[in-house]
Amino acid sequence: EPEVTQTPSHQVTQMGQEVILRCVPISNHLYFYWYRQILGQKVEFLVSFYNNEISEKSEIFDDQFSVERPDGSNFTLKIRSTKLEDSAMYFCASNSLGTDGYTFGSGTRLTVV
Amino acid sequence: GEDVEQSLFLSVREGDSSVINCTYTDSSSTYLYWYKQEPGAGLQLLTYIFSNMDMKQDQRLTVLLNKKDKHLSLRIADTQTGDSAIYFCAESTGFQKLVFGTGTRLLVSP
Repeated sequence: EPEVTQTPSHQVTQMGQEVILRCVPISNHLYFYWYRQILGQKVEFLVSFYNNEISEKSEIFDDQFSVERPDGSNFTLKIRSTKLEDSAMYFCASNSLGTDGYTFGSGTRLTVV
Repeated sequence: GEDVEQSLFLSVREGDSSVINCTYTDSSSTYLYWYKQEPGAGLQLLTYIFSNMDMKQDQRLTVLLNKKDKHLSLRIADTQTGDSAIYFCAESTGFQKLVFGTGTRLLVSP
């Protein structure tokens, strides 16, 4: 069964450093998303991406964040100058034109120290 | 804005049925989903229902949708210890963002 792949599974970074979280969505999907889940809290929408541009972003997704689809397969989330409160699980998801729902990756646990 | 609410905790005995409830506010929701999250793991899609449906059954899972009351429920028949997890309901309109509920932690005891 096709899956969304995220790397790394866990990343520890110093406060103020930049991190790039990577995702390989399902190959025939056209819509891509990033969500985050702070420990013990609900899953929050960050950004959606379609046709090589951001289609929607939340108020969380400020200038500190950026997304890119550098080639035909990868979808990345860059967090500049990380803060302690950026520590969370970050999930990538993709969706197709069908009705089979969003497929999520297994997540990247980001720990900012 | 959109809001999705769930009860926080449910405890059942193995073999019983579990019913997890969810309410949402966005009347334009097109699809409603149930996701399962096991400890330290990602989000597994269990089932979804289109907003013009009242019910959907998939093996041990039954989803009921009351669109008038904006109420969604997930019934798990013959609940097993392996069903212990956090269950999230979520809603979307087409390919827009998913809005998740707070999650219900289901504990199944032997």
